[in-house]
Amino acid sequence: GNSVTQMEGPVTLSEEAFLTINCTYTATGYPSLFWYVQYPGEGLQLLLKATKADDKGSNKGFEATYRKETTSFHLEKGSVQVSDSAVYFCALLGNDMRFGAGTRLTVKP
Amino acid sequence: DTAVSQTPKYLVTQMGNDKSIKCEQNLGHDTMYWYKQDSKKFLKIMFSYNNKELIINETVPNRFSPKSPDKAHLNLHINSLELGDSAVYFCASSQTTGRIGPEQFFGPGTRLTVL
Repeated sequence: GNSVTQMEGPVTLSEEAFLTINCTYTATGYPSLFWYVQYPGEGLQLLLKATKADDKGSNKGFEATYRKETTSFHLEKGSVQVSDSAVYFCALLGNDMRFGAGTRLTVKP
Repeated sequence: DTAVSQTPKYLVTQMGNDKSIKCEQNLGHDTMYWYKQDSKKFLKIMFSYNNKELIINETVPNRFSPKSPDKAHLNLHINSLELGDSAVYFCASSQTTGRIGPEQFFGPGTRLTVL
């Protein structure tokens, strides 16, 4: 079946550092890929998405590129802020929705 | 305006009790979902409803039963609560063209604690 694997956290960075959270997937067909973010005490919010190979999703300075050849959808941000501290979920939509385990990011001033 | 709302936000109860969590969406979506998030942040789908029809049941215990009075509401009833039911439960909705919609909107979650 389809599955999503994320790098394990927690990840702790200093403000303005470069962020990468790795995500790889296993799926049949051509799934859509998503990153969701969960701020403390809140529900999941869609951060960005890509629906086909080589698409780049971007939002709030975050980017992720749908790489079919490496079955990856890594999340990147060039300069993180304290307000980016949250749990990030990679997700795949094929026949159903599959979420990764989540990666907790803490950004320190 | 709140897109997907859940009540209550917090629920603390004793083992063996029966409780309900309510969910409402004002997005006009035709599919609603319930997810369970455990203490390690694993997110698992429990149910989804499309046009009042259950289309996914991820083999959750039959103590859990979704009830959808209309397509804007999907309530979760839990009978005979157990300690292991303690988790955060998220409602979500989407407009689906197939079995699962492309983008799901989540509610703020209900933290259930069973004592």
